[in-house]
Amino acid sequence: QKEVEQNSGPLSVPEGAIASLNCTYSDRVSQSFFWYRQYSGKSPELIMSIYSNGDKEDGRFTAQLNKASQYVSLLIRDSQPSDSATYLCAVTPGNTGKLIFGQGTTLQVKP
Amino acid sequence: DTEVTQTPKHLVMGMTNKKSLKCEQHMGHRAMYWYKQKAKKPPELMFVYSYEKLSINESVPSRFSPECPNSSLLNLHLHALQPEDSALYLCASSQARAHNEQFFGPGTRLTVL
Repeated sequence: QKEVEQNSGPLSVPEGAIASLNCTYSDRVSQSFFWYRQYSGKSPELIMSIYSNGDKEDGRFTAQLNKASQYVSLLIRDSQPSDSATYLCAVTPGNTGKLIFGQGTTLQVKP
Repeated sequence: DTEVTQTPKHLVMGMTNKKSLKCEQHMGHRAMYWYKQKAKKPPELMFVYSYEKLSINESVPSRFSPECPNSSLLNLHLHALQPEDSALYLCASSQARAHNEQFFGPGTRLTVL
């Protein structure tokens, strides 16, 4: 079992819709969870971090964490074509400082 | 200044060359990282420096040699690379090693001929 799993997609949503991106992780002692956005040919950009169970909202983005289910998600409201990118879920196991990435989900927002 | 910078943006080198990648941050961060990213794959951790000391080496071949001259600078020295080492090399920094958000530089696109 991979440490961090994401559906590779592509996930296609119409402009203005809600995009829902999901991620599961295998290490129960993981403490820090991140979502990065990566445009083709560019480096990853941090868009959300979450450390405790529940929801965290930042503008059009909401991260959700459920440690009991070992599940973290990212909702993008009012999706825009500029949101089209690969979204990487990343987890820090324990106190290691390592970032373990999922394979990434490609999001396509169609005008 | 919330930026991590990397030079050069692109590098082409032969298998017998020696070259260096450079990374700089001015955010006062005390942890710095090197990642390697192949096409359509996620970044893979190579090295972690915490307070200027190497704290993690992910079993990286010795042809990659990291160096942290001070808290703002991180280098990756390259020697006798193989064509399969061609990739995007990413530097990142965070306030401290554990838990903290990591911010990535733009990367160096390396091609080994």
